[in-house]
Amino acid sequence: GDSVTQMEGPVTLSEEAFLTINCTYTATGYPSLFWYVQYPGEGLQLLLKATKADDKGSNKGFEATYRKETTSFHLEKGSVQVSDSAVYFCALSVGFGANSKLTFGKGITLSVRP
Amino acid sequence: DAGVIQSPRHEVTEMGQEVTLRCKPISGHDYLFWYRQTMMRGLELLIYFNNNVPIDDSGMPEDRFSAKMPNASFSTLKIQPSEPRDSAVYFCASRAQGVWETQYFGPGTRLLVL
Repeated sequence: GDSVTQMEGPVTLSEEAFLTINCTYTATGYPSLFWYVQYPGEGLQLLLKATKADDKGSNKGFEATYRKETTSFHLEKGSVQVSDSAVYFCALSVGFGANSKLTFGKGITLSVRP
Repeated sequence: DAGVIQSPRHEVTEMGQEVTLRCKPISGHDYLFWYRQTMMRGLELLIYFNNNVPIDDSGMPEDRFSAKMPNASFSTLKIQPSEPRDSAVYFCASRAQGVWETQYFGPGTRLLVL
């Protein structure tokens, strides 16, 4: 079946450090890929997405490139801020119409210290 | 746009009691999803609806859980009888019909069963 694997956490960084969060996937079809972010006490919100190979999603300084050859969608940011402290989920979606749903990774907690 | 609305935000109940969680999706969205989030199991999809019809309920843990969507603007998730292991944060999400549409999450209901 479909699955998403994220690197183990938590991750603690100093402000302005470089961030990489690894995500790999297994899918039966041709998936769309997503990163969601969950701030403390809130629901998940879409951070960025990519729908085909070599697409790069970007938002709020975060980027991720859809790598079909390595089945990966790693999240990067050049300079993290304290406000980036949150839980980050990688997810995929295959299928269309009524068969479309998201499969999430376990999530990773990022803490950024001043 | 008010976003996905969930009520109550917090619920504390005793084992054996019935619990009803409520969700109002974003107006015009055709899909509605119920998730459960725990530290041990992460984010799990319980059930989802398309045009008020349940499409996949394979994630519903057992017969104590039931979900309904009587109309396009309202859904309930019911647990009867509740058990301490049901303690979790329950999220509702909705999305529109298009293939690449984003899922929007509500703020969640934090359930504690004593």
